[in-house]
This record gives sequence, structure tokens and C-alpha cells, in this order.
Amino acid sequence: RKEVEQDPGPFNVPEGATVAFNCTYSNSASQSFFWYRQDCRKEPKLLMSVYSSGNEDGRFTAQLNRASQYISLLIRDSKLSDSATYLCVVNHNTGNQFYFGTGTSLTVIP
Amino acid sequence: EAQVTQNPRYLITVTGKKLTVTCSQNMNHEYMSWYRQDPGLGLRQIYYSMNVEVTDKGDVPEGYKVSRKEKRNFPLILESPSPNQTSLYFCASSSKGQGLFNYGYTFGSGTRLTVV
Repeated sequence: RKEVEQDPGPFNVPEGATVAFNCTYSNSASQSFFWYRQDCRKEPKLLMSVYSSGNEDGRFTAQLNRASQYISLLIRDSKLSDSATYLCVVNHNTGNQFYFGTGTSLTVIP
Repeated sequence: EAQVTQNPRYLITVTGKKLTVTCSQNMNHEYMSWYRQDPGLGLRQIYYSMNVEVTDKGDVPEGYKVSRKEKRNFPLILESPSPNQTSLYFCASSSKGQGLFNYGYTFGSGTRLTVV
């Protein structure tokens, strides 16, 4: 079973739409959770960490559900510039082995 | 500017010819890591290092070597490259976590390697 699983999409949404991505993880001992954004042929960039209490950064909201072992990312009022691949990342312990999902592709259409 | 610098950005080489991809970070991070990214497989960790002289295997270490002699540098060595090592490689670094919480990685711009 994969450590981290994401729906690959693609998600094609109109500007201004709200879109949500989910990601499930297999190891209940996972401690740190992140969402990254990756543009085509570029390096992944940290979008936000995901905290147990949930967190929000502008139009982006991340949630963690430990009981069901999934994390989510909600994007409100989508912009053309949000078009990218979104990667879900989990870390099991205090070491630095991070496990990446294969990513969910988002295209925001004018 | 805080960054992770990888070189070269692009490399085409022949099977069996040893090569090194350099990685350097200027953020005084303890943790460094190498990943490869392949279509449909996502990012997979090759090796990681938690501090100077401390390295460990990730999920796909076969055919690779690393060293961490200085805190800022973490080169990736392919002693005898093969075509199945054709991939996009990323170096990344982060500061040491606090308790059970880890900080996210900062990635370099990537090295696109082709082995023919």
C-alpha cells in the first residue's frame, strides 16, 4: 500500500470556483503534514503546513483528520495562477523521511 | 537570498561514466535530502542526512552515493550511471524539527539527467 495517495485529477475548474483536494496516508504514526505546489518542470514549493486544528492562509484552507487518516486542501475563489500540481506530503517521525503523493493536477479556466 | 543550489541543471551522459550532482544550501539547515521524480511515481527519496557525517538510505538508494562532510553541501554521486537513472533530481533542505513536528523542505531547482 502506498504511503500517501492522492486523486491525480485532472481538476479543471472555472475562475472563481472553490475546489477541494483530499489525500490519504497509511501510517497512523505520521506526525507532520504539508501541501506543496509544483509548477510544470519546476521544483516543489511549500504551500502550507497542516496542523491538527486546521489552518487557513488567505484563500487556502488545510484540514487534518487523524481518525480517518486524511488531509485536505480547499482553494476558494480560484485564480488562473493557481493552475499547478498540488502534492500532499507526510512525515512519520522526527527524522527527515518525507513521503510525497503523486500529485493532483489543477487547471483554472478563464 | 535563502536558497538551495543544484548543479548542473541539465546533464546528458553515457552509461557507466561517473558523475556528481552538487547541492549547496545557505540556510544553515541540519537536514538535507535527495529525491528523484518520475512520471506516475512522484517524488521518491534517495538518501537523506540529518547532520554532518550522518546519512541514511531513503526508498530508492540503489546506484547512488552521498556524503555530508560539511553542513552546507550534500553531493549526489552516480558511480556507474545506467539508463534507468534518467530522471529529474531534486535536492532539498530543512531545519531540524521541534519535538515530533518537522518543518517542510526547501527544494533546489532540479537537475534533469539523461543517461544514454
